[in-house]
Amino acid sequence: AQSVAQPEDQVNVAEGNPLTVKCTYSVSGNPYLFWYVQYPNRGLQFLLKYITGDNLVKGSYGFEAEFNKSQTSFHLKKPSALVSDSALYFCAVRGVNQAGTALIFGKGTTLSVSS
Amino acid sequence: DAGVIQSPRHEVTEMGQEVTLRCKPISGHNSLFWYRQTMMRGLELLIYFNNNVPIDDSGMPEDRFSAKMPNASFSTLKIQPSEPRDSAVYFCASGVAGLSYEQYFGPGTRLTVT
Repeated sequence: AQSVAQPEDQVNVAEGNPLTVKCTYSVSGNPYLFWYVQYPNRGLQFLLKYITGDNLVKGSYGFEAEFNKSQTSFHLKKPSALVSDSALYFCAVRGVNQAGTALIFGKGTTLSVSS
Repeated sequence: DAGVIQSPRHEVTEMGQEVTLRCKPISGHNSLFWYRQTMMRGLELLIYFNNNVPIDDSGMPEDRFSAKMPNASFSTLKIQPSEPRDSAVYFCASGVAGLSYEQYFGPGTRLTVT
């Protein structure tokens, strides 16, 4: 069965420090991987994706993610966190061989950046 | 582009009433998704359409829920009769099937059933 896991419900980091939000996945075949961010009372916003090519993907707001096939991971990173990065982050995956067009979303990780 | 448009943004209704949520996807997108988000259950996929055809409705909670997509620019999610446990934020998202599969979400409809 295809799945995605975000092992941390919450990540706390001080402003200016690097941040990592973890994601691991399980799909048959090669994955399409996505990160979304949700600010309070808003819809999910697309941040970045990995389809193929360079394992390090750069996205919006200074975020990046690294695809690691051997560890089946796609962790979201940012070198220097901002208070405004505080939000709920979702990882999502789709298998290349998966029927249909739906994404499988993780349960979300709340990022809290303190000043 | 205006993005995905949902209406109403907020809906308060009494138990037993019919509720209709509306969605206008991004022009040119051929996939449309309905999600429900609650604190307890997180983000749940209810149903999705490709080219206006329902593909997977296995996430629809029960027969009280129905969804339609009469054309490429409009979809509805109906709950009849509504119950307090249906209270949630309902999101619509659209995307392009067969391309890169990312989805673009609307602002959501916050439904409260009293």
